Amino acid sequence: GDSVTQMEGPVTLSEEAFLTINCTYTATGYPSLFWYVQYPGEGLQLLLKATKADDKGSNKGFEATYRKETTSFHLEKGSVQVSDSAVYFCALSDRTGTASKLTFGTGTRLQVTL
Amino acid sequence: SAVISQKPSRDICQRGTSLTIQCQVDSQVTMMFWYRQQPGQSLTLIATANQGSEATYESGFVIDKFPISRPNLTFSTLTVSNMSPEDSSIYLCSVGRGEGQPQHFGDGTRLSIL
Repeated sequence: GDSVTQMEGPVTLSEEAFLTINCTYTATGYPSLFWYVQYPGEGLQLLLKATKADDKGSNKGFEATYRKETTSFHLEKGSVQVSDSAVYFCALSDRTGTASKLTFGTGTRLQVTL
Repeated sequence: SAVISQKPSRDICQRGTSLTIQCQVDSQVTMMFWYRQQPGQSLTLIATANQGSEATYESGFVIDKFPISRPNLTFSTLTVSNMSPEDSSIYLCSVGRGEGQPQHFGDGTRLSIL
C-alpha cells in the first residue's frame, strides 16, 4: 500500500537558518504530493502541492519539488522565522481508485528560536 | 478553498457517553472525510462520508463505534459512541474535490474523555 516516510523531529533551528524536512513516499500509481502545516491548537492547513513529476510547489517561502526518480518531496525554506514553528506533515493522494484518500507521514515538529 | 466549520471545537466527556461532531461546508463538495489524530500522532482516516449512502470505513474502524451521517453535499456528522479514555483525540473533517486534489480541513474537535 501507499506510505509516506518523514524525517523524525523535533527539528530545532535558529531564526534565519535554512530548513530541510525530508519526505519520501511509496505509491502504486502517480500520486499528488502535499505538505500540510499544523500550528499549535489549530487544524491542518495546506502549505503547498505538486501534482506531477518535476513540479515545484511553493508558498510563504517554502518550496518542495516532486522527484519521481528518488520518490521524494523534501520541504525547504531558505530563512525560517519564529512564526514557522509548527508541525509539518507530508502527504500523498493516489490517483488510482475512486476516492482521493490522503496518506500522511508521521509529522515533523519544527521549533524556531531567536 | 472551502470554509469548513466544525462544532464543538472542544469537549470533555464522561466515559460511556456519546458525542456528535458536526461539519458544515460553505459550498457543495463531492467528498467529505473524517480523521482522528491521537495525541502527538499523525492523522488516521476513519471513514469517507458518502452522500445518500453508508459511509466507507477504514480498517480498524466500525460503524457501531463511529456512526456517520451525510444528509447533503454540505454537511456531515461523526458520532463517537460509548467513549473511553482511549478515544481522547482530535477529530477532523476534511473535504476534497476530486482524485489527486488536496483536501481542506476544519479546525478539529479536541475531545477528552474522563
